[in-house]
Amino acid sequence: GENVEQHPSTLSVQEGDSAVIKCTYSDSASNYFPWYKQELGKGPQLIIDIRSNVGEKKDQRIAVTLNKTAKHFSLHITETQPEDSAVYFCAASSNTNAGKSTFGDGTTLTVKP
Amino acid sequence: GAGVSQSPSNKVTEKGKDVELRCDPISGHTALYWYRQSLGQGLEFLIYFQGNSAPDKSGLPSDRFSAERTGGSVSTLTIQRTQQEDSAVYLCASSFQGLANQETQYFGPGTRLLVL
Repeated sequence: GENVEQHPSTLSVQEGDSAVIKCTYSDSASNYFPWYKQELGKGPQLIIDIRSNVGEKKDQRIAVTLNKTAKHFSLHITETQPEDSAVYFCAASSNTNAGKSTFGDGTTLTVKP
Repeated sequence: GAGVSQSPSNKVTEKGKDVELRCDPISGHTALYWYRQSLGQGLEFLIYFQGNSAPDKSGLPSDRFSAERTGGSVSTLTIQRTQQEDSAVYLCASSFQGLANQETQYFGPGTRLLVL
């Protein structure tokens, strides 16, 4: 089955700096890669996703890049703000797995004011 | 519109008791997932329902755990003879599985279970 590895497990940055979280996956059939943000005491919420037919997607301060050859994808947050502090999860899914996503273990991002 | 709701939001029980956790998915969503999240940990997949297909129960940790989804909507996760290691947040998510089977999962707020 699919295996998703996420790094780093914790990340601390100064407000205004950029943050990058990386994930690798094992199943070459995976073709949908969402990123979720989980704030304390809440369920994860989708912040951005990318499908396998594109290499990059951007939404204001966040962007995701995908390298299908290397089987890795990354989340980039620019101009970080304290409210970006949360746990971030990457995930991967494929049509062959009936849409069930495999999640990474999460990255705890702390943005210091 | 209304998101995924879960009840109760918190549950404290004694070891050995049975508990039932409820999930109301977003109306029209065909897929429903249950996950377990221990303190500071990632999402542990438990079970997946998709339409009228047989559920994927591959993540259930023991036969004390079971789940059902009635009428293709509300789901109940039951834990029998609870153990202290069952203490965690139980998250439910739903999605609309379109032709691409790639749709976003929408998560509920979770039920925080504490087994004393």
